This record gives sequence, C-alpha cells and structure tokens, in this order.
Amino acid sequence: GQQLNQSPQSMFIQEGEDVSMNCTSSSIFNTWLWYKQDPGEGPVLLIALYKAGELTSNGRLTAQFGITRKDSFLNISASIPSDVGIYFCAGRRAGNMLTFGGGTRLMVKP
Amino acid sequence: GAGVSQSPSNKVTEKGKDVELRCDPISGHTALYWYRQSLGQGLEFLIYFQGNSAPDKSGLPSDRFSAERTGGSVSTLTIQRTQQEDSAVYLCASSLGGNSGTGGNTIYFGEGSWLTVV
Repeated sequence: GQQLNQSPQSMFIQEGEDVSMNCTSSSIFNTWLWYKQDPGEGPVLLIALYKAGELTSNGRLTAQFGITRKDSFLNISASIPSDVGIYFCAGRRAGNMLTFGGGTRLMVKP
Repeated sequence: GAGVSQSPSNKVTEKGKDVELRCDPISGHTALYWYRQSLGQGLEFLIYFQGNSAPDKSGLPSDRFSAERTGGSVSTLTIQRTQQEDSAVYLCASSLGGNSGTGGNTIYFGEGSWLTVV
C-alpha cells in the first residue's frame, strides 16, 4: 500500500530535550494515529486524531492533525530514557484501511 | 481474550517449507489486519478482513502468501515454499470496524510472530 512520508527516520537526543516528528502525504486522510513500538513488542496506540486542525495531548505527547488533512506531527516534551522506541504515524482513508509511515527511531541519551 | 493473540511467537523454518501463523483477534472485533515488518523497517500492509466482506488482498507480495478468517474470528496467514526474504515479524491487528466513529478507528496489535527462514 501507499506509504506515508515520515521524518526524521531516526533521532539521537539528550534526555530532557523536546522531540518533533511528522508525517506527510499527497493524499487526504480522515484519521491520523500515532503508535509507539518497543523492541520485541507490537505497536501501541499513543494518540488518535479525527478532525482537521485537532490538537491532542497525552501526557508529554502532543499531536496535531494538519489543516490540509495531508499531514500530522507528534511532539514529545522533556524526553526520558523510556521514550526510546520506534514511533509510527498511520493515516486512515475511507474504507477503514490504515497506511503506515516508515517509522522514526528515537534514541535517548541519559 | 484481553488482547490480540498471535502464535507462534517465534518460528524458524527451512527454506521451501510452508508455515502457518495464527491470529486471535480481540473478541467482538470485526476488522482484522495482517502486516509484515522486516528488521528495522516500517509496517507493510498484507491483507485486511472486514466482517463478511471480501478481504482486501492488495498487499500480499506473491501468490505464495494467503490468509483466511474462519467464522469471522481467528485468522491464519499461510506462506508456502518460504524464502529467506520472507524472514520478518508478522503482526496481526484488530479493530471494532465500521467506517465511522472512534471505535472503528482504534486498532490493537498483537506482539507478532517472528519468522526466520534459514
């Protein structure tokens, strides 16, 4: 299926720093989802966005559904070592099909 | 069950052999998905089941791959004549389904079946 363009592919940051990653597409999506995958585990849903312009927070995580419905970003504030993992964006169009981005691998240096 | 259950969690098979991977979705979830994840890579869509509708098989990489879902619940992904490039984590996910509302949009993943073809 069509891939979303997710960037950056990887980040290596210092503990306490803020992190920002985003996904873009040439297609319009009705829903944007952000998942985190720990090593050896399946992806776990972090934040779901359902309306263009929507800004949603979950603890230190904040995500926004772009106005054009073709992009979304995820911010993590004051990163901690347990934030390490792979973050995936996913977009849903009509018909219930999810398309995933390529993932952002986050590494946090204590 | 409480979550999506997949088995086996790990499988090592010889090239050319057939393998079957099983997925037990969350009870009551009508939508079921299979994804493949190669080492360090993103999620590659394979196949999608929604209720009694014909499955969307558009992501299956070759005719060696097939999947079925019996009774609208358990699904089996079959890979025939496995090749080394089939080595990956095969992830199953399920959701309540439907085309609107928040319930249909939240999908839950299993922990995956790690396949190694030697």
